[in-house]
Amino acid sequence: GENVEQHPSTLSVQEGDSAVIKCTYSDSASNYFPWYKQELGKRPQLIIDIRSNVGEKKDQRIAVTLNKTAKHFSLHITETQPEDSAVYFCAASVQAGTALIFGKGTTLSVSS
Amino acid sequence: KAGVTQTPRYLIKTRGQQVTLSCSPISGHRSVSWYQQTPGQGLQFLFEYFSETQRNKGNFPGRFSGRQFSNSRSEMNVSTLELGDSALYLCASSPDGGDGYTFGSGTRLTVV
Repeated sequence: GENVEQHPSTLSVQEGDSAVIKCTYSDSASNYFPWYKQELGKRPQLIIDIRSNVGEKKDQRIAVTLNKTAKHFSLHITETQPEDSAVYFCAASVQAGTALIFGKGTTLSVSS
Repeated sequence: KAGVTQTPRYLIKTRGQQVTLSCSPISGHRSVSWYQQTPGQGLQFLFEYFSETQRNKGNFPGRFSGRQFSNSRSEMNVSTLELGDSALYLCASSPDGGDGYTFGSGTRLTVV
């Protein structure tokens, strides 16, 4: 089955810096890659996703890149703000029909 | 539009007991997945149900089971509880599975 590795497990940045979180997946059939943000005591919330027919996707300060050949994808957050502090999870699945498998998460701390 | 509703929010059980958790998905969503969340282990996939059938299953012992009803509501059951079962149990629903998952707030289970 699918296995998703996520790095780093913790990341500390200064406000205004960029943050990058990387994930690798094992199942070459996976073609859907979402990222979830979980603030302390809250539910995970989808912040951005990418499908295998797209190499990059941006939404304001957040971007995700996908390299299908290398089977890895990354989350990029620019101009970080204290409210970006949270745990971020990457995940992978084959669209429709298989489970969403998550990485173990990255705790991002943004200090002002 | 109502979100994913999980009940109860908190539960305290004794070792050896069994427990049933409930999840009501977003209206129209036919796929329900369950995850166990513990510190350091991220979101571990338990099982996924689609149209009352278990479609995918994670690597958990047989003490963990679930079902889905015709209205897409789902329950998961854990029998013979162990201390290590203490965790946040999250349910997520999706229109067809594979993508577009929305999470509930979870049930915090404590086994004493």
